[in-house]
Amino acid sequence: QLQLQESGPGLVKPSETLSLTCSVSGASLTSTSYYWGWIRQSPEKGLEWIGNIYSSGITYYNPSLKSRVTISVDTSKNQFSLRLSSVTAADTAVYYCARQDHSSRIFDHWGQGTLVTVPS
Amino acid sequence: DIQMTQSPSSLSASVGDRVTITCRASQNIGSYLNWYQQKPGKGPKLLIYAASSLQSGVPSRFSGSGSGTDFTLTISSLQPEDFATYYCQQSYSTLMYTFGQGTKLEIK
Repeated sequence: QLQLQESGPGLVKPSETLSLTCSVSGASLTSTSYYWGWIRQSPEKGLEWIGNIYSSGITYYNPSLKSRVTISVDTSKNQFSLRLSSVTAADTAVYYCARQDHSSRIFDHWGQGTLVTVPS
Repeated sequence: DIQMTQSPSSLSASVGDRVTITCRASQNIGSYLNWYQQKPGKGPKLLIYAASSLQSGVPSRFSGSGSGTDFTLTISSLQPEDFATYYCQQSYSTLMYTFGQGTKLEIK
């Protein structure tokens, strides 16, 4: 059974870098059938796609966040990670990791999410 | 970016009711439209993909229709576990996936 679990600090200071990890069990990140992605949710912006990574290491980012985002994968640990630099209070949100089917592009499995707060 | 607009934003209904939620895209997205259900403290759950295909394990009371710019999610007979927030999402633009603002379904 596929499970995704987000982990990382719940509080990040303004101007610092937010770092989160998604641990995946029940599927391999080396599979060519899927992308692995990050989505965040806030009351102000709703659900916002951040970006995703393919098994080859190719990444795709939301243009509005592209200058600050890095997604990487560690296949030895079956984990992928998100780094968001120069955070502000506007980056306060629940961050989800998710699996995205390569052909249909649907987000078919999500983690339970982790709240990250950036104080103003 | 492709904008997704859902209506209504909230809806009160009773167990057994038939409910319809609509989603409109700002441009033609073909059938690249997906529906998710979210309950408090949980990640979204995929219900419908490609506008009308039911995800495995999802009850048949859920159905989707539409193409182009106008789409609907219908719940034929509301059950207590269906009270949640529903989101549409377009997967037409691979450069930027976008979601609707959500429809909160509450018990009347």
